[in-house]
Amino acid sequence: GAGVSQSPRYKVAKRGQDVALRCDPISGHVSLFWYQQALGQGPEFLTYFQNEAQLDKSGLPSDRFFAERPEGSVSTLKIQRTQQEDSAVYLCASSLSRDSLTFNQPQHFGDGTRLSIL
Amino acid sequence: KNEVEQSPQNLTAQEGEFITINCSYSVGISALHWLQQHPGGGIVSLFMLSSGKKKHGRLIATINIQEKHSSLHITASHPRDSAVYICAVSFKDDKIIFGKGTRLHILP
Repeated sequence: GAGVSQSPRYKVAKRGQDVALRCDPISGHVSLFWYQQALGQGPEFLTYFQNEAQLDKSGLPSDRFFAERPEGSVSTLKIQRTQQEDSAVYLCASSLSRDSLTFNQPQHFGDGTRLSIL
Repeated sequence: KNEVEQSPQNLTAQEGEFITINCSYSVGISALHWLQQHPGGGIVSLFMLSSGKKKHGRLIATINIQEKHSSLHITASHPRDSAVYICAVSFKDDKIIFGKGTRLHILP
C-alpha cells in the first residue's frame, strides 16, 4: 500500500539487548516523526526529521535512543541496552511539510511497533 | 508547557446516541487535530482545524480559539465507532503534543 509502513510489528527483546525499529514513510513526504506511546497514554514526541536532517531530538528519553534517516526516506530508531521502561508502542508518522510555509500538513501514521522488554 | 486535556477519559454509550468529546489546551497553537486509534495501534487522522467547524460524515469537529477548546461530536453512534479518540495540538514547527485520549465504547 501507499501508507506509512513500520517493521517489525511486534518485537520482544531481553533487557540489555539492542533493538532497531524501521519506518518507511509515504513516498515524497519530507517530514518524519517518531513517537512513543506507553500503555493507556497518548503518544509522546521523540524526534523529527526534515529529509535527512534531524531537526529536533528533544524528546529522546536518554542517550540510549538514536534515530537516523540517512537518505531522507527510510528511518531507523535504535535503542541500545534496552530497559523495561522502554516497553511501549513506537509510532512513526510522515507529512509533506517541508518549510514554514507548508507546516501543519496532516501527519500520516504507521501502525506502530509494539516493543516488549523482558 | 502546553497541556492538552481531554474529557471524559472513558465513555460508554448506546448505539444511536450523540457523543461529545472535549479537548482543552493552554497555549497558542497552529492547528488542532482529532485522531482515531483502534486496538492494535493504528492512528487515523480525522480532522485538522485551526478555526470554526469541520464535518465529515457523522463526525463534526469544532474549535474555539479564544477559549482554547475543541469538541468532537459523533451523531448516530455505531459500535464500529468504538476506539480511542485523541486530541492533539501542533505548533509552527509542526511538533505535536497529544492528549491521553478518550476511550469510547458504543454498545449495540
